[in-house]
Amino acid sequence: KAGVTQTPRYLIKTRGQQVTLSCSPISGHRSVSWYQQTPGQGLQFLFEYFSETQRNKGNFPGRFSGRQFSNSRSEMNVSTLELGDSALYLCASSLMWSERTQYFGPGTRLLVL
Amino acid sequence: GQQVMQIPQYQHVQEGEDFTTYCNSSTTLSNIQWYKQRPGGHPVFLIQLVKSGEVKKQKRLTFQFGEAKKNSSLHITATQTTDVGTYFCAGPGYGGSQGNLIFGKGTKLSVKP
Repeated sequence: KAGVTQTPRYLIKTRGQQVTLSCSPISGHRSVSWYQQTPGQGLQFLFEYFSETQRNKGNFPGRFSGRQFSNSRSEMNVSTLELGDSALYLCASSLMWSERTQYFGPGTRLLVL
Repeated sequence: GQQVMQIPQYQHVQEGEDFTTYCNSSTTLSNIQWYKQRPGGHPVFLIQLVKSGEVKKQKRLTFQFGEAKKNSSLHITATQTTDVGTYFCAGPGYGGSQGNLIFGKGTKLSVKP
């Protein structure tokens, strides 16, 4: 079974721009979560989607948003990028909303200049 | 807010030595999970512990869940260079973090051959 895929793998943007990251979960998995990973803050939960609905949201500003499509694929968007948004963005999928075991994708490394 | 803390932050060992990382939660957990992230990679699920006092083994790795379900440990016997990486524990969020997975900041293990 193919794992979680994320595109693009690397991205360079400048302050003020916006960015959209994409995630395809493991086939059959309906829950997709997004995390931000930085050396200082570690792994921080952004949000979780299940059946095209946002189920949970972490403590991030409204510039961070996401959505999920009917095929469970998900996108996250960051608007008005700041230098501090430079991070590894990880997508993780799980079978159901209540299933806590996370299967992570390779991540998108975002650099904001 | 709810916190999951891990110690030590870094551990350098000689190949063949043992290694232990400790995880402590500010709240009682219904379960705890462990993940491993190789350098340049993404977190990979290792195991989930659910029962108070539970001990599980995976080859040279031994995982324990404390009696009070607020702490956990991962012990690696006779480390190998393939054990290099960062080990994270994670527990389910409560209250304002309901539905989230709260990750510790991880213990970075380096192994000298």
